[in-house]
Amino acid sequence: ETGVTQSPTHLIKTRGQQVTLRCSSQSGHNTVSWYQQALGQGPQFIFQYYREEENGRGNFPPRFSGLQFPNYSSELNVNALELDDSALYLCASSRRKTGGNEKLFFGSGTQLSVL
Amino acid sequence: AQTVTQSQPEMSVQEAETVTLSCTYDTSESDYYLFWYKQPPSRQMILVIRQEAYKQQNATENRFSVNFQKAAKSFSLKISDSQLGDAAMYFCACTNSGGSNYKLTFGKGTLLTVNP
Repeated sequence: ETGVTQSPTHLIKTRGQQVTLRCSSQSGHNTVSWYQQALGQGPQFIFQYYREEENGRGNFPPRFSGLQFPNYSSELNVNALELDDSALYLCASSRRKTGGNEKLFFGSGTQLSVL
Repeated sequence: AQTVTQSQPEMSVQEAETVTLSCTYDTSESDYYLFWYKQPPSRQMILVIRQEAYKQQNATENRFSVNFQKAAKSFSLKISDSQLGDAAMYFCACTNSGGSNYKLTFGKGTLLTVNP
């Protein structure tokens, strides 16, 4: 059973650029959620994908978008990068889209620095 | 909307001793779950313990236990017999049990140092 893997581990971009982060979900999981963790803060929910469709979104602007593929892997895209987008981006997968009784499995994140 | 507050930015404990991390929360949901996650330097969030709000009995997982006070909206984590490997950031989190998606609301975290 493979875990949740994210790539790349680190990334440096300049303001105004676009970035794509990738996540491979754990085997058998059809739901992927993305979180942004700014320095010194707890993770904040960006959005969730369930069976290739967005299924809930946090308080993030439209320049944060995502995709989920038939194999349930996912991408997070951020356009027009701003300095405040510098953060650790965490991906989490689960077997179901709802319910606190379902365990979330997190990846080790992508550290994005925007200069 | 849910909010989670961790009032202790940092805590320290001697190896083999006991430490308690505090968490308060607010939610309008009638049924919800509370969690403690550990984030070591590897950055991967690891579930430590989970509590279902409708269960009055406090959850325990080996050396980890919680004190869940529903009326006070308090959810503290007790680590007994602390080990060096317990050193990490600890996050308290909350989610509703129903709804259309699984969204965790996290606190800002408590950095736990374990002294040998």
